[in-house]
Amino acid sequence: EVQLVESGGGLVQPGTSLRLSCAASGFTFDDYAMHWVRQVPGKGLEWVSGISWNSVYIAYADSVKGRFTISRDKAKKSLYLQMNSLKTEDTALYYCARGIGVVVPAAIGSWGQGVLVTVSS
Amino acid sequence: QSVLTQPPSASGTPGQRVTISCSGSNSNIGNSFVCWFQQLPGTAPRLLIYRNNERPSGVPDRFSASKSGTSGSLAISGLRSEDEADYFCGAWDDSLSLWVFGGGTRLTVL
Repeated sequence: EVQLVESGGGLVQPGTSLRLSCAASGFTFDDYAMHWVRQVPGKGLEWVSGISWNSVYIAYADSVKGRFTISRDKAKKSLYLQMNSLKTEDTALYYCARGIGVVVPAAIGSWGQGVLVTVSS
Repeated sequence: QSVLTQPPSASGTPGQRVTISCSGSNSNIGNSFVCWFQQLPGTAPRLLIYRNNERPSGVPDRFSASKSGTSGSLAISGLRSEDEADYFCGAWDDSLSLWVFGGGTRLTVL
């Protein structure tokens, strides 16, 4: 069974940093692209970033480009999102998700339960 | 403002067939596959449809979808109370090089 468990969320002040982690299990981590998608509770989905199976291809939403960095660790079977210069509008539930294939444009398949990030002074 | 356009709400009675539309452009739906997600209250999204009309294992065949040009459509037949949820469409946008989603459609089973 595919399991994606996010961690690292919390309440932080604007301008500070936070690092989200996602521990993957139940599948061969190297065989799939991975994503971060966020959702303000009660609102729609916003794709944040995606990374290919081999980390060669990485893409970001314009709203986070230059501030957020996605990465993955093959040995630890983990996905990360380094979030710098956080803004109040980054407040959301952040989901870790697995693609259905090796490339970022392939459909987003399995999702974690999400981790809440609140940016407020 | 979402890149893909969905109606904010839809409704039907048990047993009915309902459809939800998703409108995009040549750079996303027109040049890529459409996928659909179901989000039950308080839970994470679940992939319902990928590659326009394919169902992952475990998704009932009551759920079907199609794509024509720059629009996609999700159909739910034999509506059940447990289908009450938010439904989102998504597609890769070639011009923007990112995933785009619809704003979501809240389905109410009357």
